[in-house]
Amino acid sequence: DAGITQSPRHKVTETGTPVTLRCHQTENHRYMYWYRQDPGHGLRLIHYSYGVKDTDKGEVSDGYSVSRSKTEDFLLTLESATSSQTSVYFCAISGRLSPNQETQYFGPGTRLLVL
Amino acid sequence: AQSVTQLGSHVSVSEGALVLLRCNYSSSVPPYLFWYVQYPNQGLQLLLKYTTGATLVKGINGFEAEFKKSETSFHLTKPSAHMSDAAEYFCAVSDEGYSTLTFGKGTMLLVSP
Repeated sequence: DAGITQSPRHKVTETGTPVTLRCHQTENHRYMYWYRQDPGHGLRLIHYSYGVKDTDKGEVSDGYSVSRSKTEDFLLTLESATSSQTSVYFCAISGRLSPNQETQYFGPGTRLLVL
Repeated sequence: AQSVTQLGSHVSVSEGALVLLRCNYSSSVPPYLFWYVQYPNQGLQLLLKYTTGATLVKGINGFEAEFKKSETSFHLTKPSAHMSDAAEYFCAVSDEGYSTLTFGKGTMLLVSP
């Protein structure tokens, strides 16, 4: 398994509370991604990073912000959590070593419940 | 922009039967295509991928997929289903810069004895 950990693995919070999810990798991969998974929607990209301090928005970025201050860590912040952000959040990494290295490797996920 | 359509949110097969999970994509550039599997309460695991070269791609656990450009399809098959194949399967396509993936909505494979 790729060396990807996510913390916390489970979290329950209240509407309006800020929440930060952490993704940590030990693979020194350049790219890191945050997805959310919801029934009937598959995985949707929230934000991604292509290097330290370099990030870009994905399909469903509203209400989320990210930061990457070092290669191994990618943080996802919900500034003021809403019930619509109840979801399972996955982090992924990829190396971009060559065109044949485009595989994304996924972490175990974080289950977030916003009450 | 890329998009992926997976036909059938649920597919049921009997153990030993052929597995066929359908994936069609739209892309304005030659795509990279992927199939991932997700077991309950786990992350996604790569089954196989097509980048360039041979259009028939073999993956783990006996799965294979064929890239058909004329049909814009990348269907996943396995000759004989096992109970352990029961999981959710996702097809994905890369974007023009090959830095992000667009996923289909997933197909849940149910295998009955």
